[in-house]
Amino acid sequence: NAGVTQTPKFRVLKTGQSMTLLCAQDMNHEYMYWYRQDPGMGLRLIHYSVGEGTTAKGEVPDGYNVSRLKKQNFLLGLESAAPSQTSVYFCASRTGGGTEAFFGQGTRLTVV
Amino acid sequence: AQSVTQLDSQVPVFEEAPVELRCNYSSSVSVYLFWYVQYPNQGLQLLLKYLSGSTLVKGINGFEAEFNKSQTSFHLRKPSVHISDTAEYFCAVSHNSGAGSYQLTFGKGTKLSVIP
Repeated sequence: NAGVTQTPKFRVLKTGQSMTLLCAQDMNHEYMYWYRQDPGMGLRLIHYSVGEGTTAKGEVPDGYNVSRLKKQNFLLGLESAAPSQTSVYFCASRTGGGTEAFFGQGTRLTVV
Repeated sequence: AQSVTQLDSQVPVFEEAPVELRCNYSSSVSVYLFWYVQYPNQGLQLLLKYLSGSTLVKGINGFEAEFNKSQTSFHLRKPSVHISDTAEYFCAVSHNSGAGSYQLTFGKGTKLSVIP
């Protein structure tokens, strides 16, 4: 039972480079979320999706784009990475508004 | 906008002592409330949740929380902590952000350190 899988687990980027983080869930969940976690800031919502083909902005969307072309996958893109995007990124999924969210193990991204 | 305030960023407590981690939220609509725990270098896992009904909810590892609507609080408690409870704890609110779309908003976390 894989649950929520994030790829890659670690990455180092140079300023200005682009990359895509992949989140895959095998629980047929409708809702998927991308968060970033920084020391003392908790988890801040970047973007989320309430179903295949839909996306919405969260608290800190600038510099990121997302796509949900397939129900099981939620991609987070950085078009031009900046040092301020150095963080740990978590993906989560759940069935609906009152249900438990399941988290991936995180992606540690460093932008130099 | 919904917000979650965890009143203590760090809580040191001696082993076998009781602990309370405080959480307040702001909301103009009904919400669902959650507590998650994060162990070092891991993702988050659910401790407990409040959806409706009894205001006292019990979770895993001996934790419980009480929902207080008038004080908009959802404090987490454990009567006797163990070394293994050392972790970061997050309070979260799920709220309808429009058209049936639910965001999940987290507090900044409370680091619980259990002292032998």
